[in-house]
Amino acid sequence: DQQVKQNSPSLSVQEGRISILNCDYTNSMFDYFLWYKKYPAEGPTFLISISSIKDKNEDGRFTVFLNKSAKHLSLHIVPSQPGDSAVYFCAASGGGSEKLVFGKGTKLTVNP
Amino acid sequence: DAEITQSPRHKITETGRQVTLACHQTWNHNNMFWYRQDLGHGLRLIHYSYGVQDTNKGEVSDGYSVSRSNTEDLPLTLESAASSQTSVYFCASSNRAKGQFFGPGTRLTVL
Repeated sequence: DQQVKQNSPSLSVQEGRISILNCDYTNSMFDYFLWYKKYPAEGPTFLISISSIKDKNEDGRFTVFLNKSAKHLSLHIVPSQPGDSAVYFCAASGGGSEKLVFGKGTKLTVNP
Repeated sequence: DAEITQSPRHKITETGRQVTLACHQTWNHNNMFWYRQDLGHGLRLIHYSYGVQDTNKGEVSDGYSVSRSNTEDLPLTLESAASSQTSVYFCASSNRAKGQFFGPGTRLTVL
């Protein structure tokens, strides 16, 4: 049973436009959410996180929104750049655990 | 600079052989993790450790083992490699505030 779901395997956007990547979760114990970015042949790198006590966290071009009632979070990238082309993983943890549960990832392609 | 390294980066082995993948971190993190990444599955947790002498099973631990004799290293052993264990393996260590830091990965092929 997938606890973290990224239902869009891929997303294609034009350079300069907004990219919106979505993530849904089912476990009510999750209280910390993270986004990772992964380039081919490299390990995932931490991008941005949000605690369940917040509904928004912003870092430069990246903003994560959390809707706890809907068990949904999204990552907004504005403006999108070709260098943002990568696979993005949503991850969650909770109950004091350091373990992360990952979604299957969304491959973002930003076209020049 | 602190880092996390994995070796080898690529490995080809035969079914039935024992294989050990190395993971070394200089972050001085207590928490370390092993994942495998497969198409259509994302990252799945194999084993994890919260400190020296501590090891725990993850979601897909069958056929794998780990040991933690010091803070820096968490080697992953495949006792008898199977073709289903062909995958890309990632090691990570964690700082709660910044999440997990991942190594560059090891691509393992079991023939």
